[in-house]
Amino acid sequence: AQSVTQLGSHVSVSEGALVLLRCNYSSSVPPYLFWYVQYPNQGLQLLLKYTSAATLVKGINGFEAEFKKSETSFHLTKPSAHMSDAAEYFCAVSLRNTGNQFYFGTGTSLTVIP
Amino acid sequence: ETGVTQSPTHLIKTRGQQVTLRCSSQSGHNTVSWYQQALGQGPQFIFQYYREEENGRGNFPPRFSGLQFPNYSSELNVNALELDDSALYLCASSFRTDPGGTQYFGPGTRLLVL
Repeated sequence: AQSVTQLGSHVSVSEGALVLLRCNYSSSVPPYLFWYVQYPNQGLQLLLKYTSAATLVKGINGFEAEFKKSETSFHLTKPSAHMSDAAEYFCAVSLRNTGNQFYFGTGTSLTVIP
Repeated sequence: ETGVTQSPTHLIKTRGQQVTLRCSSQSGHNTVSWYQQALGQGPQFIFQYYREEENGRGNFPPRFSGLQFPNYSSELNVNALELDDSALYLCASSFRTDPGGTQYFGPGTRLLVL
């Protein structure tokens, strides 16, 4: 079975501090991995994706994520938080053997404290 | 490039009624997927359409059905609405050969069932 676990449903950081949002996955086949951001009353916007090329993936708005197969993790980081980063973040996995069906985590709400 | 659009933005129905939600795919995309996002949860995959046929389905009952049209627009139909169907319904389009099937989301339709 495939699943995505996001540790920490709520994360608070100070403006300018490091952002670290955790994501672990389980999969019987090599996965594709994604991070999406959702602002209030909006759809999901793609931040970045891993598709088996470089393990360190850079995305929009200064975010990046590193695929670690040994730890089955794909944590999202940003060196310095901005107030505009406050939003809900979702990790997702898609699998070749399910026709690229997407499975999402339950999300992490990021609060940025001025 | 036109993004994914959905209509209506909000909808209120009563239990037992039927509802149709609409989606226009991003230009150039030939696959459409629908997701249900309950409050405080991650999106749950309902089904995917490719070449006007259902091409994968999540754990949703048959009263959830869909259509994809030759111009790649799509409908989600839900019959015999239940209170638990209250959620944000998200449409996402993708290109069939994109690695991982990267999903591009619309803004969603918020459905309230009373």
